Amino acid sequence: DVKVTQSSRYLVKRTGEKVFLECVQDMDHENMFWYRQDPGLGLRLIYFSYDVKMKEKGDIPEGYSVSREKKERFSLILESASTNQTSMYLCAGGRDYGYTFGSGTRLTVV
Amino acid sequence: GDSVTQMEGPVTLSEEAFLTINCTYTATGYPSLFWYVQYPGEGLQLLLKATKADDKGSNKGFEATYRKETTSFHLEKGSVQVSDSAVYFCALPSGGSYIPTFGRGTSLIVHP
Repeated sequence: DVKVTQSSRYLVKRTGEKVFLECVQDMDHENMFWYRQDPGLGLRLIYFSYDVKMKEKGDIPEGYSVSREKKERFSLILESASTNQTSMYLCAGGRDYGYTFGSGTRLTVV
Repeated sequence: GDSVTQMEGPVTLSEEAFLTINCTYTATGYPSLFWYVQYPGEGLQLLLKATKADDKGSNKGFEATYRKETTSFHLEKGSVQVSDSAVYFCALPSGGSYIPTFGRGTSLIVHP
């Protein structure tokens, strides 16, 4: 089975910390995505990448950055965590034939 | 641009009831269509898909038919179970923009 693996299911971080969320896929997908999911707001795209070292802003990139040095790994970085970044973060990979999601990281910023 | 509209939830049903979750879309051409399911605390999983008009996707007792005339892809199940309680997302692939389009999600709650 194809897999997208997010390194942590739950994280608790302090305000102002730099936070790294890691995502690894084994499908050789070019396209990878980071979403955040909040109650009543659906999925909101933070960043996506269509190739190594290529990245594009999504709908809500402020306060985030990403890194894609290798095809299989797409990292989301919170430069200085704030309480309004407490959320569920979902990584996905795929193309028009379908998308595979990781299990999600529930991040709490205190 | 492309868009997906889903009925708002929550949808609350008793076990063994019939389920319909409506989904309509706007897109250029005739893309594939997807339904994803998200169980509590998990990521999204592909539930079923249809790749062309009049195709019926099916999985785990769920079905959806790609209706080009009405631009719809409604999800149905004849007899829901408590274990079907989840959030369901209708989605379009990206076309030429890399970015898929997801509906807002419909929460289903099934009571015993």
